Amino acid sequence: EDQVTQSPEALRLQEGESSSLNCSYTVSGLRGLFWYRQDPGKGPEFLFTLYSAGEEKEKERLKATLTKKESFLHITAPKPEDSATYLCAVLQDDSGYALNFGKGTSLLVTP
Amino acid sequence: DSGVTQTPKHLITATGQRVTLRCSPRSGDLSVYWYQQSLDQGLQFLIQYYNGEERAKGNILERFSAQQFPDLHSELNLSSLELGDSALYFCASSVGPGMNTEAFFGQGTRLTVV
Repeated sequence: EDQVTQSPEALRLQEGESSSLNCSYTVSGLRGLFWYRQDPGKGPEFLFTLYSAGEEKEKERLKATLTKKESFLHITAPKPEDSATYLCAVLQDDSGYALNFGKGTSLLVTP
Repeated sequence: DSGVTQTPKHLITATGQRVTLRCSPRSGDLSVYWYQQSLDQGLQFLIQYYNGEERAKGNILERFSAQQFPDLHSELNLSSLELGDSALYFCASSVGPGMNTEAFFGQGTRLTVV
């Protein structure tokens, strides 16, 4: 069965302590891999889209990378305001038009 | 502010009742998507409309239905509500017929069934 798995479920970092979040996928015909950020009680906010293996995108302290089986969201020198749940989602050839989301990684950055 | 408006923000209702959630997409967006988010299941795709027509269906129960009106706003109707229907319901919109480009989510409606 096609699925999107994110790890770890939760991550606690000290301010300035860099780390990576993982999103592994087992889908046929990947059309795009998406990263969203979600704050408590809010809707997901778009971060990146990656379309092919080897592609990388950066935004401030975040960098997303993609291989044929997984994506990483690298967080460099995080700040407390980076605390949120990070969601990974895939768009696949035979899924029609909507994103299939993983369950997310809850990130807490302490001062 | 994403530009996607959902009302109401909170809804508390009893089992067996029926409710309607409303979504206004961003100006110019033709697609509306409905998602359900619960603690154990994460974000689950329910249904999509594009320019007034149903485009794709996900894990939507038969007790649930939706429509998109000529002004492009959408409504999600939930009937014969059960305790397990308690969740956050999100609406998202995009310009084209798919989420292959950036999609924008609303702030959600928190439904509590008691």
